[in-house]
This record gives sequence, structure tokens and C-alpha cells, in this order.
Amino acid sequence: DQQVKQNSPSLSVQEGRISILNCDYTNSMFDYFLWYKKYPAEGPTFLISISSIKDKNEDGRFTVFLNKSAKHLSLHIVPSQPGDSAVYFCAASARAAGNKLTFGGGTRVLVKP
Amino acid sequence: KAGVTQTPRYLIKTRGQQVTLSCSPISGHRSVSWYQQTPGQGLQFLFEYFSETQRNKGNFPGRFSGRQFSNSRSEMNVSTLELGDSALYLCASSPGRGANYGYTFGSGTRLTVV
Repeated sequence: DQQVKQNSPSLSVQEGRISILNCDYTNSMFDYFLWYKKYPAEGPTFLISISSIKDKNEDGRFTVFLNKSAKHLSLHIVPSQPGDSAVYFCAASARAAGNKLTFGGGTRVLVKP
Repeated sequence: KAGVTQTPRYLIKTRGQQVTLSCSPISGHRSVSWYQQTPGQGLQFLFEYFSETQRNKGNFPGRFSGRQFSNSRSEMNVSTLELGDSALYLCASSPGRGANYGYTFGSGTRLTVV
């Protein structure tokens, strides 16, 4: 039972354009959401997070949007840079369930120069 | 400030053997969580330790166990290894319990079972 889904396994975007990554979840108990970036042979690196009491959080080139009614969140990267090429994971956490992270399957992003 | 250190980076073991992986969290971090990453199942939660006590456990068989020491360093052990245990094992440390504190991951231990 996949509680967090990233339906696009890959995304290709031109340098300077916007990258939009999507994530859907099914568990209404999730109250905190995070995005991580991962390069091969390295651990995930934290990018940005959002609490369920907000609908938007911005940090530099990264913005996360949360639509609770649709159980959907998205990560916008503007402008995309070649160094952004990596696998991006969406993760969700529920305080009531002990704070463990439930990850989506990941989206591989390729930014073309 | 040193990051999360996992040792060893790579490990090859034979079916039936046991293995111990180590994780040193960021100084001052008291929570350590372990995750398994495989191509088929993705990133899955194994367990979380805080103040030397297991606080949460994922859906893994009892062959997977762990512990945390008084200096917050953690070890995980897998007994009677199976081929399906081949994976990247990741450790994440956090200053407190709760996703809002943020988790910092180590580079992982790549375990191959032959």
C-alpha cells in the first residue's frame, strides 16, 4: 500500500526553465512533508519542507505547494540548473504515527544545458 | 560540523551470515533512524532510536535489529542474511523527535549479499 506516490518517474527540462515535481498521498494523518534530493552513492539531502497548516513555502529557487483537500503537493524549481539533475524524493510524516518518514518512489530530473 | 557518518561504506556478505552496520550522528543529535533503499521497494523505514530506546519500528522481520548507545551512536544488525537484504542502508540523525526538526542522512552502507 503506497501511501506516498510520485507518478512521474522521470522529468527532463531545459536549463533556466521551471521544473515541477508532483507528489500524491493517501494518509490524511500526514502533517509534515519534505523534499529530498539524492545523487547516486550519496544519502538524500534535505531541500525544503512544509507543515500541513501552510499551503506554500519558499526557499530561494525552491517552492513547495500543498493542497490538503487534494492530498497533493508539488515542488517548483526556478530556474532549473544542470546541478539540479538528481533523483527527488517526496516524504511525509505523521506525528501520531511516530514521526517516521514515508517516501515516494522518486522522480529522476535531468536538466539539459 | 561533521555530518552523519556511516561505516562501512561497502560490504559483501554471504547468505546466512550476519552483519552489523554503524552510524555516528551529528554531534548533539539524539534521534537516529534507519532506512533501507532497494530498487523494488524504494526507501523504507526500519526503526528509530531516541535516548537509547527504540521508539518506532517499520514492517521488517525480527532478523533486523538495532540499538543506540549513550553517545547516540547507533548500530543495526541483520542476522541470517538473505539475497533480498542487498540494499543501501541509510541512517538519518535529528536533534529531536519529529519531522519538523529535520533529518540529516549519511551516505549509506551498500550491502551486497551473495
